[in-house]
Amino acid sequence: EAAVTQSPRSKVAVTGGKVTLSCHQTNNHDYMYWYRQDTGHGLRLIHYSYVADSTEKGDIPDGYKASRPSQENFSLILELASLSQTAVYFCASSAGTVSNERLFFGHGTKLSVL
Amino acid sequence: QQKVQQSPESLTVSEGAMASLNCTFSDRSSDNFRWYRQHSGKGLEVLVSIFSDGEKEEGSFTAHLNRASLHVFLHIREPQPSDSALYLCAVSIGTNAYKVIFGKGTHLHVLP
Repeated sequence: EAAVTQSPRSKVAVTGGKVTLSCHQTNNHDYMYWYRQDTGHGLRLIHYSYVADSTEKGDIPDGYKASRPSQENFSLILELASLSQTAVYFCASSAGTVSNERLFFGHGTKLSVL
Repeated sequence: QQKVQQSPESLTVSEGAMASLNCTFSDRSSDNFRWYRQHSGKGLEVLVSIFSDGEKEEGSFTAHLNRASLHVFLHIREPQPSDSALYLCAVSIGTNAYKVIFGKGTHLHVLP
């Protein structure tokens, strides 16, 4: 069974602090994504990557950076966390483009910025 | 900009009664539709994918796509309390390899 593991499962951060969310997949998938889920907005794409050492901006990239050091690992970095970044963050992977392949999701990271 | 809307926001049904969820999209060139389920505190799991008009069944889940009316439905046959979850519709277009738009979801509550 394909697996996407996120860490931490939850985190409390202070405004202005740096936060790193990590994602590891054992699916051998080339494509990885970071989504944000907020009440009233559904899931929105922050960054994605289709190959190691390369990342692309999604629909809401402002305030976030991404890093893909290997096929298996994809991180989301908040250099200066803000209150508005309180949300649940999901990492996902896919075998091919989302137009053709389903997404495999991690369990999510609940981030609270105080 | 593709818009994906789901209705109702919340639905309560009794165990064993059919549950029907609606998803409306705005771009007629959409050609890739999936329904995902999210149990509280968990990630999303795909239930059924459909790519052409008509019906697609996966276990107790049936997706019904009508692109002319811009609707894709999810019917859940004989739902159990364990099916209580948030159901999300996801729509993408083949010409955009990385873009999938999610609806805000329908909260389904199945009463024993």
